[in-house]
Amino acid sequence: DAGVIQSPRHEVTEMGQEVTLRCKPISGHDYLFWYRQTMMRGLELLIYFNNNVPIDDSGMPEDRFSAKMPNASFSTLKIQPSEPRDSAVYFCASSLGLGKNTEAFFGQGTRLTVV
Amino acid sequence: GQSLEQPSEVTAVEGAIVQINCTYQTSGFYGLSWYQQHDGGAPTFLSYNGLDGLEETGRFSSFLSRSDSYGYLLLQELQMKDSASYFCAVDNAGNMLTFGGGTRLMVKP
Repeated sequence: DAGVIQSPRHEVTEMGQEVTLRCKPISGHDYLFWYRQTMMRGLELLIYFNNNVPIDDSGMPEDRFSAKMPNASFSTLKIQPSEPRDSAVYFCASSLGLGKNTEAFFGQGTRLTVV
Repeated sequence: GQSLEQPSEVTAVEGAIVQINCTYQTSGFYGLSWYQQHDGGAPTFLSYNGLDGLEETGRFSSFLSRSDSYGYLLLQELQMKDSASYFCAVDNAGNMLTFGGGTRLMVKP
């Protein structure tokens, strides 16, 4: 398996624009996570899915953020409208499940810059 | 709420041993994991402790004491390539990882 694949790797957008980040998890993994990483706040869990169903979205900062997982092999994180404070690296990760299988495999991230 | 505390920065020399501590306060606890992240890279899994005691994987070991809400990562025979950030993470909902702020390890020659 090629691992968790995220696109784009880099995104520069203007404030107010819509941004869509994409993720393809590892085949067979039941859990998918979206994290945001900044120097100030570290790695924050935004939302996670189990079998395509959102389980906990308490980390989603505002209504401007939304995430979907229409099928087992694809998820999106959308920011609309984007703001400069959304600038961060966004990671998608997937895992098999419980116990030792909680090992999360991370994609290479999307570096988002909102100007 | 959840909180994980780890030192922000540690410096050590090549060949030495370094220990990175992590204390946690979470509403639930299933296990403690450690991840390594090089600058510009993605976090990668190092180890997992679900039970008290020591887990060893090559030069790296991880320890957990559930009664003390404490764990550590031990890196032996440090190499320059070990310079990275190290994160402890609590699995506090059966499969939801909450990460600490990370410890930046600098290995000097």
